[in-house]
Amino acid sequence: RKEVEQDPGPFNVPEGATVAFNCTYSNSASQSFFWYRQDCRKEPKLLMSVYSSGNEDGRFTAQLNRASQYISLLIRDSKLSDSATYLCVVNIGIQGAQKLVFGQGTRLTINP
Amino acid sequence: DAGITQSPRHKVTETGTPVTLRCHQTENHRYMYWYRQDPGHGLRLIHYSYGVKDTDKGEVSDGYSVSRSKTEDFLLTLESATSSQTSVYFCAISESRGIGNTEAFFGQGTRLTVV
Repeated sequence: RKEVEQDPGPFNVPEGATVAFNCTYSNSASQSFFWYRQDCRKEPKLLMSVYSSGNEDGRFTAQLNRASQYISLLIRDSKLSDSATYLCVVNIGIQGAQKLVFGQGTRLTINP
Repeated sequence: DAGITQSPRHKVTETGTPVTLRCHQTENHRYMYWYRQDPGHGLRLIHYSYGVKDTDKGEVSDGYSVSRSKTEDFLLTLESATSSQTSVYFCAISESRGIGNTEAFFGQGTRLTVV
C-alpha cells in the first residue's frame, strides 16, 4: 500500500464551481500535512499546511481527519488560474525528522 | 525564491553510463531530498538527507546512490543508467520549524533521458 494516495483525476469543472480533493495516508504517526500545487512543467510549490483544527486561506480550505487518516482540500469559487496539479504531502519522519512523501497528485482543469 | 540550483537541467545519456546530478542550496537547510516524477506516479522519494553524511532511502532507491559531504550539496548518482531511469528529477530542501511549520522548496528539475 502506498504511503499517500490521491485520486489522480482529472477533474474538469466550470469556473466558479466548488471542487474538493481527498487524500489518505497510511502512517498513523504522521505529524505534518500539506497541499502543494504544481503547474505544468514547473516545480511544486507550497499551497498550504493542514492543521488539526482545519484552516482556511481565502478560497482554499484544508481539513485533517486523523481518525480516518485523510486530508482534504476544498476550493470555492474556482478560477481559471486554479488549473494545476494538486499534491498531497505527508511528513512520515519520526521524532521531529522530516521525510516528505507525496501523493501522485490530482489534476484539475477549470473551464471557462 | 529559495536558493536551490540543480545541474544539469537537461541530460541525454546512454544506457550503462554513470550519471551524477547535483543539487546546490544557499539556504543552509538541514534536509535535502531527491525525487523523480513520472506520469501516473507523482513525485516519488529516491533518497533524502538529514545532515552532512546522513542519508536514508526512499521508496524507489534501487539503482541510485547519494552523497552529502557538505551542507549545501546533495549529489544523486546513477551508477549504470537504464532506460527506466528516464524521468524528471527534482531536488528539494526543507528545515524543521515545528510541526506543521515546514515548507519544502524545490529546484527547477532535471530532465534525464537514457537512450
